[in-house]
Amino acid sequence: GQQVMQIPQYQHVQEGEDFTTYCNSSTTLSNIQWYKQRPGGHPVFLIQLVKSGEVKKQKRLTFQFGEAKKNSSLHITATQTTDVGTYFCAGVTNAGKSTFGDGTTLTVKP
Amino acid sequence: DAGVIQSPRHEVTEMGQEVTLRCKPISGHNSLFWYRQTMMRGLELLIYFNNNVPIDDSGMPEDRFSAKMPNASFSTLKIQPSEPRDSAVYFCASSLTGGATGELFFGEGSRLTVL
Repeated sequence: GQQVMQIPQYQHVQEGEDFTTYCNSSTTLSNIQWYKQRPGGHPVFLIQLVKSGEVKKQKRLTFQFGEAKKNSSLHITATQTTDVGTYFCAGVTNAGKSTFGDGTTLTVKP
Repeated sequence: DAGVIQSPRHEVTEMGQEVTLRCKPISGHNSLFWYRQTMMRGLELLIYFNNNVPIDDSGMPEDRFSAKMPNASFSTLKIQPSEPRDSAVYFCASSLTGGATGELFFGEGSRLTVL
């Protein structure tokens, strides 16, 4: 079945440093979604990427979808303490089924 | 507008007892999903409904788990009998579009502990 791998599993940064998490799917995707889950909270939708090679920005967050529609990345510039949490990608197939990656947990030291 | 509403927020029960988790999706959403989250297995899709019809239940662990959606505004996930390995946070999510092609709105989750 479809597998979605995310790396790294954990990332510890000093406030102000950049952060990147990578997502790789075993199959070509229809689209990819990114979610953020704060400690003790629930996943909250951040963005959806649909087109091959697509790049979207949300303030300090930059999302990319690979040309082959099998990988994606989330980059945060100049992290802040409010960025802490676990970032999940969810790969969606043409059949409309989504598989979540295991997430990357970000901690930010002030 | 109210988001996805789940109850109970916390449930502690003993092995062998029946557990029922409830979910009210966002009004007007066509798809409803049940997920289970554990440290070991991450976020797993258990089942999803489209227009109240179960579409994919391949993630349901075993016959002890069952889910129903009797109408567009209510769904239940039942575990009978419960076992300690069922301890997890169970999330319900809804989506405006069919399947998972659109944004998923998650509830706050039901944290289940089976002793």
